[in-house]
Amino acid sequence: NAGVTQTPKFRILKIGQSMTLQCTQDMNHNYMYWYRQDPGMGLKLIYYSVGAGITDKGEVPNGYNVSRSTTEDFPLRLELAAPSQTSVYFCASSHTGQYSNQPQHFGDGTRLSIL
Amino acid sequence: AQSVAQPEDQVNVAEGNPLTVKCTYSVSGNPYLFWYVQYPNRGLQFLLKYITGDNLVKGSYGFEAEFNKSQTSFHLKKPSALVSDSALYFCAVRFNTDKLIFGTGTRLQVFP
Repeated sequence: NAGVTQTPKFRILKIGQSMTLQCTQDMNHNYMYWYRQDPGMGLKLIYYSVGAGITDKGEVPNGYNVSRSTTEDFPLRLELAAPSQTSVYFCASSHTGQYSNQPQHFGDGTRLSIL
Repeated sequence: AQSVAQPEDQVNVAEGNPLTVKCTYSVSGNPYLFWYVQYPNRGLQFLLKYITGDNLVKGSYGFEAEFNKSQTSFHLKKPSALVSDSALYFCAVRFNTDKLIFGTGTRLQVFP
């Protein structure tokens, strides 16, 4: 049981390039989330999904896109990388249930630098 | 607006001494409250949660947290700190939604 797996762990992009951050979970969780973590700012929700085929915007969605074709996978796409997107990105998942009291499980993050 | 505050950027404590990491929240209704810990170059790990019931919640690694409804606080505590407890700690709250709101984090430094 690997939990939440994120790839790559590190990446350097040039301004204007695109890339996809991969996230997969093997716990059969139907809720999945993408966050970015900036120093002193805590975690900000980018997008989330309540199940395959369903996604919704979080607090800071601009410049990102997501898809959820399977329960296991929730990739995050950067189409035109900008320096403001330099951050550490975390994927998380949790069990179902509206107003669920179950904790989220996090991957180890992707550290992205855009130069 | 619903919010979570961790008023201290850093907490320093000597090994063996008790520690407290503070968290307060602003909400209408009954929230679910969580504490997570983050070690360098790792994701967040769940420590404990408060849903309902006893105001003192026990979690992993000897940590506990006290829920105080009148003060809207959920402070993290440990009776005797270890150097290995040094990490970044996040308080998070869920208010009748599918989303968590995180505090900005408190860095705990335990000195030998």
